[in-house]
Amino acid sequence: AQTVTQSQPEMSVQEAETVTLSCTYDTSENNYYLFWYKQPPSRQMILVIRQEAYKQQNATENRFSVNFQKAAKSFSLKISDSQLGDTAMYFCAFPSGGSNYKLTFGKGTLLTVNP
Amino acid sequence: DGGITQSPKYLFRKEGQNVTLSCEQNLNHDAMYWYRQDPGQGLRLIYYSQIVNDFQKGDIAEGYSVSREKKESFPLTVTSAQKNPTAFYLCASSIGLERHEQFFGPGTRLTVL
Repeated sequence: AQTVTQSQPEMSVQEAETVTLSCTYDTSENNYYLFWYKQPPSRQMILVIRQEAYKQQNATENRFSVNFQKAAKSFSLKISDSQLGDTAMYFCAFPSGGSNYKLTFGKGTLLTVNP
Repeated sequence: DGGITQSPKYLFRKEGQNVTLSCEQNLNHDAMYWYRQDPGQGLRLIYYSQIVNDFQKGDIAEGYSVSREKKESFPLTVTSAQKNPTAFYLCASSIGLERHEQFFGPGTRLTVL
C-alpha cells in the first residue's frame, strides 16, 4: 500500500520567519505528482503547490517552495516570510493505487503563525 | 466563476434517516470524489467517479452510496447503515488523465442527533 507520512502534528512560527513542514511517502512508481494542500479555519481545501517527480527542479509558488528528494521519498514544504494568514492545516498528498485519479493524504500538520 | 459547490453547509439528521449531500461542479472535470474528514485525521476517500455513469468504492464506502448521472453532479447519500456519520464531508473534482490535482468544494458538516 502506498502511504504518506507527516511526522509533525503541530508546528508554530513567528510572523516573517521561515518554517519547513515534512512529508515522506512510499511508492514503487517512477512518474507521479506530489501536492501540498492548505486547509485554513474556513475548512476550504486549497492547493498550495504541485511537484512533478520527473522534474529535478523544485517547485516554487511565491513564498512557498518544496524540497523534493526523490531517492529519499521526501517532499517538504518551506514557507518563507510567514504571514498570519498562513495559519492552517497543511496536508501532503500523493496519487495512490494503480489509478492516477486517487490521492492519499497525510494526517496533516497544524501550523500556527504567531504575531 | 468556475468552481465546486456543496450544499447544504450544515446538515442535521436523526438516527435512522438517510440524507443526501449535493456536489456540483462547472469546471468541466471528468473525475469527482467524496472524502470524509474526522478530527485528527486526514481525508479518507469514500467514492470516486472517473466518468459519467461509472463510480468506484474508495477506502470507506460502507454505509454510503453515490450516483453520477451527469458530468456536473456527484451526490452522496449517507444511509442509516453508516455507523458513525457525523463528520465533515468534502467533494472534489479533477480534470483526470495526467493532471491529478484535485479542486475542492467548501464542504458539508453533517451532524447526527
